[in-house]
Amino acid sequence: DTGVSQNPRHKITKRGQNVTFRCDPISEHNRLYWYRQTLGQGPEFLTYFQNEAQLEKSRLLSDRFSAERPKGSFSTLEIQRTEQGDSAMYLCASSSPDRGLIFGPGTRLTVT
Amino acid sequence: AQSVSQHNHHVILSEAASLELGCNYSYGGTVNLFWYVQYPGQHLQLLLKYFSGDPLVKGIKGFEAEFIKSKFSFNLRKPSVQWSDTAEYFCAVMWGSNYKLTFGKGTLLTVNP
Repeated sequence: DTGVSQNPRHKITKRGQNVTFRCDPISEHNRLYWYRQTLGQGPEFLTYFQNEAQLEKSRLLSDRFSAERPKGSFSTLEIQRTEQGDSAMYLCASSSPDRGLIFGPGTRLTVT
Repeated sequence: AQSVSQHNHHVILSEAASLELGCNYSYGGTVNLFWYVQYPGQHLQLLLKYFSGDPLVKGIKGFEAEFIKSKFSFNLRKPSVQWSDTAEYFCAVMWGSNYKLTFGKGTLLTVNP
């Protein structure tokens, strides 16, 4: 398999701007997850999809965050009106029963 | 609330030393347990996992972990570390079956040559 890919790898934006990240999971995986990791912390669950259905959202995911997976393949995570506290690494993962979660390289967001 | 604790923030060892990294989780029930590793400049990779069966699990690169249900623990071990083991190690727990993992804060391992 080609692994999980994420774009862009780095994003610098000014406070108040909107940003969108993309994740392409491993093609045969029907579950896709978004996590966020800040400095000195482990990854924190944000949301996950089974095919195109968003099945769970963390309380960490404020109204400014929205995630979609329109055709059950790639997913996007949008943050509106970014704040400095949104600066973090955003991780995407897909899963298989025998391998567990396979993570992508992440998108590092810096809000100035 | 479900939580995962990793006891050591930073561990420094010399090559050939033995390693044990602690991991405890908040309460029982059915759990699946994982250790992930993040090498410098790379993304998270699965080191080993426990779903059921033998509580002593062997993973890649000579690592192993032991699940002790009575202690809510899943400690990671390696008998002899190498410089290339320098990385951050994360313990993670899954309650349920949807791969919603709860991670510990991680332990940074530095191995000096």
